[in-house]
Amino acid sequence: NAGVTQTPKFQVLKTGQSMTLQCAQDMNHEYMSWYRQDPGMGLRLIHYSVGAGITDQGEVPNGYNVSRSTTEDFPLRLLSAAPSQTSVYFCASSYDRDRADTQYFGPGTRLTVL
Amino acid sequence: AQSVSQHNHHVILSEAASLELGCNYSYGGTVNLFWYVQYPGQHLQLLLKYFSGDPLVKGIKGFEAEFIKSKFSFNLRKPSVQWSDTAEYFCAVNAGGYSTLTFGKGTMLLVSP
Repeated sequence: NAGVTQTPKFQVLKTGQSMTLQCAQDMNHEYMSWYRQDPGMGLRLIHYSVGAGITDQGEVPNGYNVSRSTTEDFPLRLLSAAPSQTSVYFCASSYDRDRADTQYFGPGTRLTVL
Repeated sequence: AQSVSQHNHHVILSEAASLELGCNYSYGGTVNLFWYVQYPGQHLQLLLKYFSGDPLVKGIKGFEAEFIKSKFSFNLRKPSVQWSDTAEYFCAVNAGGYSTLTFGKGTMLLVSP
């Protein structure tokens, strides 16, 4: 098992550009989520999904879009990048969507918006 | 909505010192509690978790945590830290429903040799 994989590892964007952060898991996990990590802020939930075709907003969803067409993939789209979106982005997944379960994190994508 | 408070943002200890990191949450119902660790340059890994049963939970690498319901606390402890414990530690809570976690702001632990 590769676990949770994320691409790219690093990305630099200019303000206004769009891009997609990729996340995939090969553990047949139902639940997937995206967090952003900022210094002194901990991790904050952006969006999550409890299965293919089902997504919902987290704490800080503005400026981000998600979809879940397959169990394995959960891409995060930045529609028009802003400097405030400079952050480290982590994708996570867990097996059971209906109750608390251990989440497995990917290695992260470090994004800089100029 | 639930929230998680970690008392110390930075902790500096010498090797062999004892460690206790505070974590308090605000939610009146049933909770599931987690401690995650992030070593420099790495992703988050689970240290330990509490779902139910014995409130004293043992995790990996000699860490343990105690759930005290009356104090809404889930403090992390280790009797003797090592240089390799240098990392950032995050407390997180799930208040039922899906696996969504609310994280504290983290505590950066620096252990000097």
